Amino acid sequence: EAQVTQNPRYLITVTGKKLTVTCSQNMNHEYMSWYRQDPGLGLRQIYYSMNVEVTDKGDVPEGYKVSRKEKRNFPLILESPSPNQTSLYFCASSKPSGGQGRDTQYFGPGTRLTVL
Amino acid sequence: DQQVKQNSPSLSVQEGRISILNCDYTNSMFDYFLWYKKYPAEGPTFLISISSIKDKNEDGRFTVFLNKSAKHLSLHIVPSQPGDSAVYFCAAIPDTGRRALTFGSGTRLQVQP
Repeated sequence: EAQVTQNPRYLITVTGKKLTVTCSQNMNHEYMSWYRQDPGLGLRQIYYSMNVEVTDKGDVPEGYKVSRKEKRNFPLILESPSPNQTSLYFCASSKPSGGQGRDTQYFGPGTRLTVL
Repeated sequence: DQQVKQNSPSLSVQEGRISILNCDYTNSMFDYFLWYKKYPAEGPTFLISISSIKDKNEDGRFTVFLNKSAKHLSLHIVPSQPGDSAVYFCAAIPDTGRRALTFGSGTRLQVQP
C-alpha cells in the first residue's frame, strides 16, 4: 500500500530535550515536505526537499532541522524544543507531474507534539 | 497575514442537500488551487484541484469553481453525505518552483443524516 508514515504519532517532551520525528514514504517520490498545523492558521510549510541531499526552508523553519540522506526518509529534528513548537506535524511527499509544482502531495497521519 | 482565507470555521447541512465551502486568496501569484479533506487522526487527503486557466472542475459529486477576478474559489458537494463530514482545507500554489502549499485555516463540515 502506497503511504507516508510518521513516528511517533504522539510525543510529550520537555523544553530543550532534542527529538526527531521520522517520516518515510514508499512511493519513490522525489519531493518531501514538513508542515505544522496550528489552530486558526491551517498548515504551514517548515522545510522541503526536492531530492536526496537537496533541502530548503519553507515558511516557518526557525527551530527545526531536516536531512535527506535517502530518498524515502525525511526526518524532522528539533535540537532544542520550546513550548511554541507544540503543534501537529505532517510530512508529505509527491512526484513531479510536469513541473511548476502541480503534483498532488500525499500526507502522513500526523505527529502530535507537546513541549512542556 | 493569511494569504488563503476560509472565513467559515464550520458548516452544517442536511444529507442530500448541497454543501458550499468558500475560500478567498490575496496573492495574485497563486495559479493552482486544491481542496483537501481531513478526518480526525488522519493526514489531509487530496480531493480536487483547479488551474487558474479554468473556472470550473468537476469530479463526481465534487465541483470546484474559481473566480480569478474576485480571488475566490468554492467547493460544491452535491448531494452531501454523512461520510463527507470532515474538515476541508483550501490550498494554493504560486507559479514558482517551490511547490509549497499555502493552506487556509479549514472549514468543518457536518452533514446531518
